[in-house]
Amino acid sequence: GAVVSQHPSWVICKSGTSVKIECRSLDFQATTMFWYRQFPKQSLMLMATSNEGSKATYEQGVEKDKFLINHASLTLSTLTVTSAHPEDSSFYICSAVVPEGYGETQYFGPGTRLLVL
Amino acid sequence: SQKIEQNSEALNIQEGKTATLTCNYTNYSPAYLQWYRQDPGRGPVFLLLIRENEKEKRKERLKVTFDTTLKQSLFHITASQPADSATYLCALALFTGTASKLTFGTGTRLQVTL
Repeated sequence: GAVVSQHPSWVICKSGTSVKIECRSLDFQATTMFWYRQFPKQSLMLMATSNEGSKATYEQGVEKDKFLINHASLTLSTLTVTSAHPEDSSFYICSAVVPEGYGETQYFGPGTRLLVL
Repeated sequence: SQKIEQNSEALNIQEGKTATLTCNYTNYSPAYLQWYRQDPGRGPVFLLLIRENEKEKRKERLKVTFDTTLKQSLFHITASQPADSATYLCALALFTGTASKLTFGTGTRLQVTL
């Protein structure tokens, strides 16, 4: 199956600093990737759609200037949390789309746990 | 308003029995529906996809049904094993023109005991 990696797997940072998370599709090319956030005991919430070579599309309520997304190649999308604050502490998960016969399947990375002190 | 509900937050069953998880939705017209498994601290793992015009899909011990009239999907794990213990998420797919966006249910935590 399709493999998606994320780096780092966890990060601790001080309030006010910026953190970059990488999402890579290892054995396929992905025109579209998605970024999600998951708080404890809650489901995944879509933050933004990342399209290779164009600007990301953000969901309502997600600040695009705070969560910068860059999809510079068909195998890499990055999410930068700028000026992070404790309320940004969460589990960030990316997915990459693989078109398949009956539709599309999103393959997810293992997630990045962010803790902002 | 749009809503996706998975019938129970947690489900405990005995090894060897069939686990049945329910996903109900309102005010959606999904193109297809997917089921994922998520283990603690990990990303979701894709299990099955079923389209709106399909009634049933099977994969090994897994079976999914999709009733667009009832707006419901059922997910079955037969001959359940302790290794099946995890959180199971249903997700509705809506086409956006370039790719399908997924909206996830709240998940059902399945615990299979010996």
